[in-house]
Amino acid sequence: KQEVTQIPAALSVPEGENLVLNCSFTDSAIYNLQWFRQDPGKGLTSLLLIQSSQREQTSGRLNASLDKSSGRSTLYIAASQPGDSATYLCDGSGGSYIPTFGRGTSLIVHP
Amino acid sequence: NAGVMQNPRHLVRRRGQEARLRCSPMKGHSHVYWYRQLPEEGLKFMVYLQKENIIDESGMPKERFSAEFPKEGPSILRIQQVVRGDSAAYFCASSPTGTGDHNEQFFGPGTRLTVL
Repeated sequence: KQEVTQIPAALSVPEGENLVLNCSFTDSAIYNLQWFRQDPGKGLTSLLLIQSSQREQTSGRLNASLDKSSGRSTLYIAASQPGDSATYLCDGSGGSYIPTFGRGTSLIVHP
Repeated sequence: NAGVMQNPRHLVRRRGQEARLRCSPMKGHSHVYWYRQLPEEGLKFMVYLQKENIIDESGMPKERFSAEFPKEGPSILRIQQVVRGDSAAYFCASSPTGTGDHNEQFFGPGTRLTVL
């Protein structure tokens, strides 16, 4: 059974910092790794999807990497802004294809 | 192409009543997933459906909960005889395929169920 862990659980930083959010998973037979953001009281917005055959994906200030052998994915946020404040979730669909989410990293970027 | 739609957005029920939550997947998507998010907890998988089939319901409580995705119309998550512990946000997601490299999920805005 896939287990997904996200570190840190919470992060508070000043605007402009570069950030690294970590996601680790136990089942390396992963189909893909998807990063989402969730704003308070809202649904999930997909940020990046890394397919099992890929090692990273980039979208604007976001870059996500996937290392299946070590069971890790990293979301890098460059030049953070207050609008980046949200909870970031990673979903690792392991060999059983059942989506498995981590508890998330709650990010606050203050001006 | 409209996104995943869920209704109602907010639902209030008294203990013992039934709750019916609806999810319309994105156009062209034939795979639907339901999740529950309890306060201060993560997003938990409940059930995975394709049209007219339940593929995996391992995350769904054995009693009082059921889900369907008929050939026509939205997917329905039904909770019978609701209890206060059912109060949560229920999210639906859809994908064009269910497995492999192209099962990117798109989420709806959720239904927030409050049981009085």
